[in-house]
Amino acid sequence: NAGVMQNPRHLVRRRGQEARLRCSPMKGHSHVYWYRQLPEEGLKFMVYLQKENIIDESGMPKERFSAEFPKEGPSILRIQQVVRGDSAAYFCASSGGQQETQYFGPGTRLLVL
Amino acid sequence: GQQLNQSPQSMFIQEGEDVSMNCTSSSIFNTWLWYKQDPGEGPVLLIALYKAGELTSNGRLTAQFGITRKDSFLNISASIPSDVGIYFCAGQPPHTSGTYKYIFGTGTRLKVLA
Repeated sequence: NAGVMQNPRHLVRRRGQEARLRCSPMKGHSHVYWYRQLPEEGLKFMVYLQKENIIDESGMPKERFSAEFPKEGPSILRIQQVVRGDSAAYFCASSGGQQETQYFGPGTRLLVL
Repeated sequence: GQQLNQSPQSMFIQEGEDVSMNCTSSSIFNTWLWYKQDPGEGPVLLIALYKAGELTSNGRLTAQFGITRKDSFLNISASIPSDVGIYFCAGQPPHTSGTYKYIFGTGTRLKVLA
């Protein structure tokens, strides 16, 4: 079952450390989206990538956050110098095309101490 | 910005009862989607609606795309304990707003009492 995979599922970091979240899209999908979910809230769009290209990062904080989707390997969401407010669940979704249905991974729950 | 108001925020129902929840917005959407999220998991797509007025069923679930394109509802008939979870609506904005930027509601938390 080649669904969207994310790892790690849980990540604990101290303030100031770096967090790297990985997402492998569903087989055959080349479009990847990252969302953030705070407790008791819905998902908020962060960034949309295709292979080697960032298409739309309008939902990403301007500082400390970056995303990539290299030609080979998973998409990476990187948060530098994490702060407590970065604690959230981060979900990756993939689709076969820009207007096609997005399928979500199980998420990475980041806790910043 | 575009927002989705989802109601009710939470509900407790008895097993066997029917459930209804809805999602409204001041903006129009091209597509409405309903997802269910179990604790510790990602959202799973239940139903996708692509045309105004469309009524679609998936087992005990039925959803409709409002005529005005600004709302949608989801009904669950004869609820069972495994229906417990958080139900999210999501709207896919028109092309000029970025069709890939799903806008999510804040969710309806459903608890089923056996």
